[in-house]
Amino acid sequence: QQPVQSPQAVILREGEDAVINCSSSKALYSVHWYRQKHGEAPVFLMILLKGGEQKGHDKISASFNEKKQQSSLYLTASQLSYSGTYFCGTALNAGGTSYGKLTFGQGTILTVHP
Amino acid sequence: SQTIHQWPATLVQPVGSPLSLECTVEGTSNPNLYWYRQAAGRGLQLLFYSVGIGQISSEVPQNLSASRPQDRQFILSSKKLLLSDSGFYLCAWSRPGLYSNQPQHFGDGTRLSIL
Repeated sequence: QQPVQSPQAVILREGEDAVINCSSSKALYSVHWYRQKHGEAPVFLMILLKGGEQKGHDKISASFNEKKQQSSLYLTASQLSYSGTYFCGTALNAGGTSYGKLTFGQGTILTVHP
Repeated sequence: SQTIHQWPATLVQPVGSPLSLECTVEGTSNPNLYWYRQAAGRGLQLLFYSVGIGQISSEVPQNLSASRPQDRQFILSSKKLLLSDSGFYLCAWSRPGLYSNQPQHFGDGTRLSIL
């Protein structure tokens, strides 16, 4: 079951904040966040595990609400380098091994203007 | 440090021709390996994953196959390409493990165009 990301696209000016959401209809074991620049490979940002947690590095952080099966990625004081497509990848909490099998959302295009 | 190599970077193939894409990982042992396909403007679709030599799991039925002849080598193949096989193919690795709690690191990808 593919997670649903919202919004599909967001346009910011440098210094503005953004939130990207990733929702699942099934119980999740983990949520992975990646950023992909045009024509390049996705780059890992962070993983959140079930149990509800929040992580962050620099001005990018994320949370995982286990009750809602939703993760949110927070980008604060955006920089030009934040532009790209953000994907969440989810692993189901199916009670067994998953070997890293992820289902990715459709992506959120983030554009930061000077 | 670990590195992942994927080649070729771009490939143009006629319909019905065979395919072989190769991916190798350095600096780690017994990684989990993955093949993804990304259509233009879309998300990533998991095609195959492997947790060890000769162990391949297929996620999407299609005319593609994968093999892992060595610990850090992962190959994606097809006997006869279809137009629908066009896309951006990405190989990824993660530390070995049974659960999805390790980051996946992607190669630079192969852009495949079928004519």
